[in-house]
Amino acid sequence: DTAVSQTPKYLVTQMGNDKSIKCEQNLGHDTMYWYKQDSKKFLKIMFSYNNKELIINETVPNRFSPKSPDKAHLNLHINSLELGDSAVYFCASSQAGVKETQYFGPGTRLLVL
Amino acid sequence: AQSVSQHNHHVILSEAASLELGCNYSYGGTVNLFWYVQYPGQHLQLLLKYFSGDPLVKGIKGFEAEFIKSKFSFNLRKPSVQWSDTAEYFCAVKSAGGYNKLIFGAGTRLAVHP
Repeated sequence: DTAVSQTPKYLVTQMGNDKSIKCEQNLGHDTMYWYKQDSKKFLKIMFSYNNKELIINETVPNRFSPKSPDKAHLNLHINSLELGDSAVYFCASSQAGVKETQYFGPGTRLLVL
Repeated sequence: AQSVSQHNHHVILSEAASLELGCNYSYGGTVNLFWYVQYPGQHLQLLLKYFSGDPLVKGIKGFEAEFIKSKFSFNLRKPSVQWSDTAEYFCAVKSAGGYNKLIFGAGTRLAVHP
């Protein structure tokens, strides 16, 4: 009965490769997010989708492309991976509305060698 | 631009000690405030949140936080910590009028020794 799930949990890859991280939520939420947590544990939002529409796009390299096939899924595809992309990527979801709590997934630890 | 500042990066306490973690934000408008906890190797979990009303909010596991508007602060407190409270604590703010964008502080790592 996992609320927000992500796959894979760990991802080790070489520079220059392309990889995807998947996120699914079974909470019936309208809005999903991607956050990046760097090595110093600093968390920063990357993207947000509401009903499959992109509503937040922070200053993120265009090598990162989110895709939302439906309300319950938000995937993150990363092209031409760089060393600096190594981080933990968290997916989150919430109902629409600023008073709504965001629920986080377990994170995907990405290591680029 | 909004920002969140957590003053203590690393806190070490003995069990049964009292805890207060500082959080200040910079934003002139109405905000919603959150404290999340991240236990080692786990995802973020909501401890408590403030939207409006009583500025003293109670959360899970005996935590509470007080919103002081004049000081732009939302400090987290617990009267007596346990070893199981060892974790990273994140304060976050969201503007009431904007998109659902959480701005996080840098986090405070709490280590509780038995």
